[in-house]
Amino acid sequence: AQKITQTQPGMFVQEKEAVTLDCTYDTSDQSYGLFWYKQPSSGEMIFLIYQGSYDEQNATEGRYSLNFQKARKSANLVISASQLGDSAMYFCAMREGGASTGNQFYFGTGTSLTVIP
Amino acid sequence: DSGVTQTPKHLITATGQRVTLRCSPRSGDLSVYWYQQSLDQGLQFLIQYYNGEERAKGNILERFSAQQFPDLHSELNLSSLELGDSALYFCASSVAGGKREQYFGPGTRLTVT
Repeated sequence: AQKITQTQPGMFVQEKEAVTLDCTYDTSDQSYGLFWYKQPSSGEMIFLIYQGSYDEQNATEGRYSLNFQKARKSANLVISASQLGDSAMYFCAMREGGASTGNQFYFGTGTSLTVIP
Repeated sequence: DSGVTQTPKHLITATGQRVTLRCSPRSGDLSVYWYQQSLDQGLQFLIQYYNGEERAKGNILERFSAQQFPDLHSELNLSSLELGDSALYFCASSVAGGKREQYFGPGTRLTVT
C-alpha cells in the first residue's frame, strides 16, 4: 500500500481564491509527522508546513493551513488567497519511526497547481 | 535560500563511473538527509545522518554510500553508475532528528550517459 497518496495530479485555481490539495497517509505508528513541500519549476524544495500526530490544533503558516483529520488519515493543504507565485508542484510527505527504529520518510507523487490570473 | 548548500549543481558522467556529491547543512543543524528524485520513482528517502552517525536508511542501493564528517558536512558516493541513477539528488538538514521541518538544498542534477 502507498504510504502517501495524492490523488490530484493537477489542479487549477483562480487568483485570490482558496484551494485544497488532498493527501491521505497510511501508517500504524502512533507518533508520526506530516509535511508539505512546494517545488517550483526552478526545482528547489521549499518547506511549507508541519503537523505532528499529537498536535491537537491544525497547523497554520501564513496563507497555508493543514487540515488534519487523524481518524480519516488525511492531511490536506489549504492555500488561501492564491497568488500567481503559488503555481508549483506540491508534495505531501510523512515521517514515521523514531529514535529506536530510525525515521523513514515517504513522499507522495505530487499535485501540480496552476494559478490562473 | 534555505542555507543548505550542495555541490556540484550539475554532473554528467558515464556508466560504470563513481561520483561524490557534497552537502553542507544549515548552520546549527545536526541532521543531514539524502533524497533522490527521478521521473519514474518520484522522491525517495535514501539515508539520514545525525551528528556524524548513521541514523536511518531508506531505499539506498548498495552501490551508494554516504558519510557525515566532524564539521557536519556530508557526502553521498555513487558508484558503478547506471543510466537509471540519473536523477536530482537533494540534501536536506534539520536541527534535530527529523521530528520537524527539513530544509532542502538546491540539489545536484546527475546525468549518467
